[in-house]
Amino acid sequence: AQTVTQSQPEMSVQEAETVTLSCTYDTSESDYYLFWYKQPPSRQMILVIRQEAYKQQNATENRFSVNFQKAAKSFSLKISDSQLGDAAMYFCAYNFNKFYFGSGTKLNVKP
Amino acid sequence: DVKVTQSSRYLVKRTGEKVFLECVQDMDHENMFWYRQDPGLGLRLIYFSYDVKMKEKGDIPEGYSVSREKKERFSLILESASTNQTSMYLCASSSRAAGAQETQYFGPGTRLLVL
Repeated sequence: AQTVTQSQPEMSVQEAETVTLSCTYDTSESDYYLFWYKQPPSRQMILVIRQEAYKQQNATENRFSVNFQKAAKSFSLKISDSQLGDAAMYFCAYNFNKFYFGSGTKLNVKP
Repeated sequence: DVKVTQSSRYLVKRTGEKVFLECVQDMDHENMFWYRQDPGLGLRLIYFSYDVKMKEKGDIPEGYSVSREKKERFSLILESASTNQTSMYLCASSSRAAGAQETQYFGPGTRLLVL
């Protein structure tokens, strides 16, 4: 069965610093999608970044980038130059025919 | 922009009541999903639908049913609400079109309290 593990329930980062959120997953498939979603307090969940497993190049979206290690089944999210608006729950997700979500990491950003 | 809306942001119901949660998407997406979100458990899939009048059970379908009479609307029904169904309910939709990359788009959520 596919599972997604986020081992850090909560993290804190100083404004303007860099933080990395961890995610590991379990699968026997070779071609799938991975996602990071952001859920701000009392607001809608939005897509941050996505990665196709067959692409070796790590995805980047402005200040957000991933470190995708396929053999290790690891998909971490790096947020550079953290801003107060980055404070949210972050969910890692795996998709092969169906979505599987991790339990989430709450990111606090300190001014 | 994709827009997914849910009929209520907050609901308070009593044990045994029949509860309807409505979700509408405006992007002509084929796929629609209902999740519940609980602290420490992430999102768990209740039901999903790949087309009108089609439905598939997710990981935790017990105590729930769904209806999809129109492509844009996907309803979640709690036949007889119980206190353990107190949760945040999230609706999502996605496209099966080539290049859509299976991205799911979420509604704002409905926080349901069952007393």
